[in-house]
Amino acid sequence: EVQLVESGGDLVKPGESLRLSCAASGLTFTKAWMHWVRQAPGKGLEWVGRIRGKSDGGTTDYAAPVKGRFTISRDDSQNTVYLQMNSLKMEDTAVYYCSTFSNGWVWGQGTLVTVSS
Amino acid sequence: EIVLTQSPATLSLSPGERATFSCRASQSVSTNLAWYQQKPGQGPRLLIYAASTRATGIPARFSGSGSGTEFTLTITSLQSEDFAVYWCQQYTTWPVTFGQGTKLDIK
Repeated sequence: EVQLVESGGDLVKPGESLRLSCAASGLTFTKAWMHWVRQAPGKGLEWVGRIRGKSDGGTTDYAAPVKGRFTISRDDSQNTVYLQMNSLKMEDTAVYYCSTFSNGWVWGQGTLVTVSS
Repeated sequence: EIVLTQSPATLSLSPGERATFSCRASQSVSTNLAWYQQKPGQGPRLLIYAASTRATGIPARFSGSGSGTEFTLTITSLQSEDFAVYWCQQYTTWPVTFGQGTKLDIK
């Protein structure tokens, strides 16, 4: 069974940085494309970005609202994907989920990021 | 970007009734469409992927159909635990996008 566990959410001030982690198990991590999705309080779901598996180049794509501020990386030795968030804005406040496709989409439980002064 | 339009915004039904949710895509997504259920304070729960494949552990009263631009999620004989928000998601092209959701509430 594929399991994803996010961590690192916190309360930060606008302009600060934060790094989220997502530990994966139950899959061949090196091949997995890993995604980050967020949901602002009371709002809909928004795809943040993705990183391809190493064999597919390990490259990344980002949604327009976060491009240039957020960076996704992976450590295949630790079966972990990261979301580095810089220059955080109040509108980045959300629950952040990591996700991957393995016989259907698998999601973690999410971690809350609050950006407030 | 592919826009997904869900209808209705709210669906008010009673336990035992049949629920039908619609998701329309602005361009073809083939069958690369998923449906999720979300309850307050919880993350999304995958119900259906590839338009019609039930995820592991999902009861048979949930079914999905459609291809191209028109999709339907059906719940036969609603149970009390089914009242929640339902989302559709396309994953045929980047960026992956979601519909705006349909809230199923108790009539």
